[in-house]
Amino acid sequence: DIQMTQSPSALSTSVGDRVTITCRASQSISDWLAWYQQKPGKAPKLLIYKASRLESGVPSRFSGSGSGTEFTLTINSLQPDDFATYYCQQYNTYPYTFGQGTKLEI
Amino acid sequence: EVELLESGGGLVQPGGSLRLSCAASGFTLTNSAMNWVRQAPGKGLEWLSSINGGGFRIYYAASVQGRFTISKDSSRNTLYLEMNSLSVEDTAVYYCTRDRVHAGEFDYWGPGTRVTVSS
Repeated sequence: DIQMTQSPSALSTSVGDRVTITCRASQSISDWLAWYQQKPGKAPKLLIYKASRLESGVPSRFSGSGSGTEFTLTINSLQPDDFATYYCQQYNTYPYTFGQGTKLEI
Repeated sequence: EVELLESGGGLVQPGGSLRLSCAASGFTLTNSAMNWVRQAPGKGLEWLSSINGGGFRIYYAASVQGRFTISKDSSRNTLYLEMNSLSVEDTAVYYCTRDRVHAGEFDYWGPGTRVTVSS
């Protein structure tokens, strides 16, 4: 199975900050990587797909990059609505796997 | 508008069974791959199973292989997850998700249904 390792697991941040979350795959997944945002009690929401493509309706302050085994999610100028938990997911190979999540805290 | 709505969760004793349903609207299940994903209390996301549009390509996570069965009823446009031999470790919120057509990312999620396995 492909292991997805996110770092950090939690991040203390402030409104206006620039945040970078890293996701590493245990083997190459090309660019078959998605990022999701989850708020408490809610289903996850797709933010980024194919490593760097912004989902329709997602603010442009979110961006993704990387390929192979190293990926990043960047949030520019953090907004109050962005405090949530973020997950990466590989969909290159079954079983699909998620990172353990990164919680952004104020 | 695409919508997914899970149902069928509840309290079940260890060793018991439960069938979850996911009613889809705004698109046809025969045109999309679908998945089940769960989240144990306070934990991360775990992919469980996928079924392709035609229903002939099915995959399971090792943790549920042999105990859970994914299926769909095209006439009802509904996805199912039959869960047997449940243990306390299966306690979680269960989500159904849709693969974007001709891609693999999960572009739509249902709100989830809670399953609690306890005596």
